Amino acid sequence: DAMVIQNPRYQVTQFGKPVTLSCSQTLNHNVMYWYQQKSSQAPKLLFHYYDKDFNNEADTPDNFQSRRPNTSFCFLDIRSPGLGDAAMYLCATSRVRTGPTDTQYFGPGTRLTVL
Amino acid sequence: QKEVEQDPGPLSVPEGAIVSLNCTYSNSAFQYFMWYRQYSRKGPELLMYTYSSGNKEDGRFTAQVDKSSKYISLFIRDSQPSDSATYLCAMSLNSGYSTLTFGKGTMLLVSP
Repeated sequence: DAMVIQNPRYQVTQFGKPVTLSCSQTLNHNVMYWYQQKSSQAPKLLFHYYDKDFNNEADTPDNFQSRRPNTSFCFLDIRSPGLGDAAMYLCATSRVRTGPTDTQYFGPGTRLTVL
Repeated sequence: QKEVEQDPGPLSVPEGAIVSLNCTYSNSAFQYFMWYRQYSRKGPELLMYTYSSGNKEDGRFTAQVDKSSKYISLFIRDSQPSDSATYLCAMSLNSGYSTLTFGKGTMLLVSP
């Protein structure tokens, strides 16, 4: 089945130790998004790629970076995780607008714990 | 005023009940409206997707949009324990490549 895959599902890191989360998709969608979701809160968009064009949300901390080496893969790098970065990180994909039935499809998420 | 308001719950109902989940929003330019279901510690799963005002039905689920009141609803008929999850409403200006604005989600608990 076509899908959005995130690895690992659970990640534990230490305060200040860089961590990379990965996302892959078999949907062949142009756009890939990274969201941060804290407990009982709405997902918060960090940034997205439209093909290779990177779009950063204005309030995304510099500590968060992303790479998209090809259509299928996208990575979220957290350079120096703080305790406040503990959250679920969600990857989503979408096509460019083509009609009224296109929206974002989410992966299962990576739950990040910072010790 | 937040852009999208959604009661966080929890909403507890017995199995078989009809459930009504709602969101209000402030931006009248939103045209596309979605409901996502999110099980504990999992990613959101698209449940319903509607464009503009009107109703859409899919099995036990009905989504309703009233743009004049800036109010959207999700109805679940014959609710099941497996429906226990958090339901997030989301909306966007455009389809496909567009920023989604989410509500915080309503936690639904269906007891056997």
